[in-house]
Amino acid sequence: QKEVEQNSGPLSVPEGAIASLNCTYSDRGSQSFFWYRQYSGKSPELIMSIYSNGDKEDGRFTAQLNKASQYVSLLIRDSQPSDSATYLCAVVDNAGNMLTFGGGTRLMVKP
Amino acid sequence: EPEVTQTPSHQVTQMGQEVILRCVPISNHLYFYWYRQILGQKVEFLVSFYNNEISEKSEIFDDQFSVERPDGSNFTLKIRSTKLEDSAMYFCASEWGQGEAGYTFGSGTRLTVV
Repeated sequence: QKEVEQNSGPLSVPEGAIASLNCTYSDRGSQSFFWYRQYSGKSPELIMSIYSNGDKEDGRFTAQLNKASQYVSLLIRDSQPSDSATYLCAVVDNAGNMLTFGGGTRLMVKP
Repeated sequence: EPEVTQTPSHQVTQMGQEVILRCVPISNHLYFYWYRQILGQKVEFLVSFYNNEISEKSEIFDDQFSVERPDGSNFTLKIRSTKLEDSAMYFCASEWGQGEAGYTFGSGTRLTVV
């Protein structure tokens, strides 16, 4: 059974701070890792992908991957109230077919 | 920016009825998926579709469910004899390459079985 685990939160940060979201996964053969943002009642929206160990930066977002520890994280710099949403970690396995999602971390950015 | 389009946005149906959820994937995408999300729960994989056939399906995707790509643009999910526990958001997704760049999800269909 492939598992993707996230702290459900809520994670509350003040506006302008760094938000740090974490995810662990059970399938060591996982190859591709994604972060999605989901507003209440809406569909998941892809914000970051990462495939190799290390950091990947895109604007205010940085994804970090450590395959040895089976750990992936997302940093959001200069957090804005509009970043308030649930952040979903998702993993694609070796077969490269389906996404397995974590339960999401609810982020609240307070003005 | 290209979008995955889903219709209807909300469907209410009586228990035991059949429903068809419709999706128009992005035109040059080759891989198509259905996921569902029961309120307050994880997004769950249902089925993947490539080259006009199912490539993988989950335990949820039993004989009650079927998918079809009846023409070059539409991708449908049929749920026969709906049950109360089928109430969920159903998301269609598509991508160009398998597992390469992440899916584009449609806006979803909220299915309510009463």
